[in-house]
Amino acid sequence: DTEVTQTPKHLVMGMTNKKSLKCEQHMGHRAMYWYKQKAKKPPELMFVYSYEKLSINESVPSRFSPECPNSSLLNLHLHALQPEDSALYLCASSQVDLVSYNEQFFGPGTRLTVL
Amino acid sequence: AQSVTQPDIHITVSEGASLELRCNYSYGATPYLFWYVQSPGQGLQLLLKYFSGDTLVQGIKGFEAEFKRSQSSFNLRKPSVHWSDAAEYFCVPYSGGGADGLTFGKGTHLIIQP
Repeated sequence: DTEVTQTPKHLVMGMTNKKSLKCEQHMGHRAMYWYKQKAKKPPELMFVYSYEKLSINESVPSRFSPECPNSSLLNLHLHALQPEDSALYLCASSQVDLVSYNEQFFGPGTRLTVL
Repeated sequence: AQSVTQPDIHITVSEGASLELRCNYSYGATPYLFWYVQSPGQGLQLLLKYFSGDTLVQGIKGFEAEFKRSQSSFNLRKPSVHWSDAAEYFCVPYSGGGADGLTFGKGTHLIIQP
């Protein structure tokens, strides 16, 4: 199984809502990533988890709260978002090998619209 | 810091014609370099990767790329494009090791004319 799954595919939420994005992989990867992609822009890194611990936070606002409950799951909790947070949110996973490149496998993304 | 430049925001190619997408890198040591493709409604897929050794690397879907240190380039090529190649193409550098995020180039949008 070389697939990263993300749910939901689409999400519309108001600025006062709380919602969560979910990402799952069963490839035994110990690193998982969240990227944000605005329309017609490249993906931008948000968070990296390595062995279920947050290792990189790219100065993301606190209204985005990541969680890695186990090695297969990655969540992104959303609260009090702004319309400018509307974007495609991509999850990826990879092995963790300190001496070589670890190919990142991407999920199809969640298309988020904040009203 | 490592970075790449993709000079062409849009490229239009006729179906069956050859393709070359440009990527210039700025990096002291030889970086890892990748090309990713993002098709409409689909996720990102790794086309090919360069680590070291042979400067011409073969990828999936008939793509290849050549690493040229003298020109600091890693251009993506395909001899004959198909309509299904219409997508966004990203050149990506990577420093290697551990779990590190990717920093994508700005991308080149490929349009295929019938």
